[in-house]
Amino acid sequence: DQQVKQNSPSLSVQEGRISILNCDYTNSMFDYFLWYKKYPAEGPTFLISISSIKDKNEDGRFTVFLNKSAKHLSLHIVPSQPGDSAVYFCAAINAGNNRKLIWGLGTSLAVNP
Amino acid sequence: DAGVIQSPRHEVTEMGQEVTLRCKPISGHDYLFWYRQTMMRGLELLIYFNNNVPIDDSGMPEDRFSAKMPNASFSTLKIQPSEPRDSAVYFCASSSPGRGAGELFFGEGSRLTVL
Repeated sequence: DQQVKQNSPSLSVQEGRISILNCDYTNSMFDYFLWYKKYPAEGPTFLISISSIKDKNEDGRFTVFLNKSAKHLSLHIVPSQPGDSAVYFCAAINAGNNRKLIWGLGTSLAVNP
Repeated sequence: DAGVIQSPRHEVTEMGQEVTLRCKPISGHDYLFWYRQTMMRGLELLIYFNNNVPIDDSGMPEDRFSAKMPNASFSTLKIQPSEPRDSAVYFCASSSPGRGAGELFFGEGSRLTVL
């Protein structure tokens, strides 16, 4: 039973355009959501997070939106750059309970020059 | 600053052999996590420690897997005996008390192949 789902295994975008990566979750107890980026042969790297009390968090070219009623979050990258090509993982946690992150399976983003 | 250091980066072994994976967390981090990544199941948490004490090992697949953290700067994940289905990339991660929950720093991983 996957509590965090990334329904698009891959996404291809032109350089300079917007990349939108989506994530759905089922557990309403999650109170913190994170995005990680992973390059081949490296470990995941933390990118951006959002608390469940917010609906938007922005960091440079990266913005995460949270829609609690729909149990949906998205990561927007504007403008997309070739160096953004990586696998992006969505993760969620019930931070009050433990440190156990629940991960999606990832979306592979390709930004074409 | 040095990141999380894992060794070996690659391990190829035969079924039935013992495998030991090693991790050095970032200095000052009080949480340490062991993850396994496979194509089918993605990233799975195996076990995590807080201040060297195991907190949740519910993700450890079976008794063949064991993990220890004898001090704040070293942890091991051991598989004995190893089986082909254990083939995966194993990641170690650590986190700092000053960071948000879920903000982990990962090592580069140990790719295990069991023949």
